[in-house]
Amino acid sequence: TQLLEQSPQFLSIQEGENLTVYCNSSSVFSSLQWYRQEPGEGPVLLVTVVTGGEVKKLKRLTFQFGDARKDSSLHITAAQTGDTGLYLCAGARGFVGVRYALNFGKGTSLLVTP
Amino acid sequence: DAGVIQSPRHEVTEMGQEVTLRCKPISGHNSLFWYRQTMMRGLELLIYFNNNVPIDDSGMPEDRFSAKMPNASFSTLKIQPSEPRDSAVYFCASSLTGTGSTDTQYFGPGTRLTVL
Repeated sequence: TQLLEQSPQFLSIQEGENLTVYCNSSSVFSSLQWYRQEPGEGPVLLVTVVTGGEVKKLKRLTFQFGDARKDSSLHITAAQTGDTGLYLCAGARGFVGVRYALNFGKGTSLLVTP
Repeated sequence: DAGVIQSPRHEVTEMGQEVTLRCKPISGHNSLFWYRQTMMRGLELLIYFNNNVPIDDSGMPEDRFSAKMPNASFSTLKIQPSEPRDSAVYFCASSLTGTGSTDTQYFGPGTRLTVL
């Protein structure tokens, strides 16, 4: 059973377009992280959101944590070819450092073409 | 600074053989994680260590899998005997755990395992 559902699974857009990808769950998370993974490499952390309703911006990327801390979205403005990759969300369910573990979604594979 | 180092980067073996994957975490980090990534199941946590002690191994698929962390700078994941369904990319990640659920995990480049 997948704890975190990401949608869409695949997305192909042209440079300059905007897009939003979603990460949904029926579980409450103490925090949620977004990673980007490029082919042949490991995931790299983009952002961590902790507070329900929190919005964080990273250049053209906007991340939002749902009020109930069960879901999150990633919005990219004016996508560039360098944004191509697999976007993974990961939720942590514990608060104590040594006991928490991340649950990952399967990811959204984004392709941005010139 | 060196990131998480994994070896080998690619491994091709035959069913029934023993496979050992290696990981060197970032110096100073006290938590180490082993993940497996497949198209069908995504990224799954297999086991994680804190201060070289296994904390949660509930993700280890079965007794054929074992992991050790003999010291703070080295960990192994062993599969014996290997089966074709073990084919996947195996990632090691490390973090400095202390602030709880907001810790940043740093991933290695992964080992692509193919079991024929």
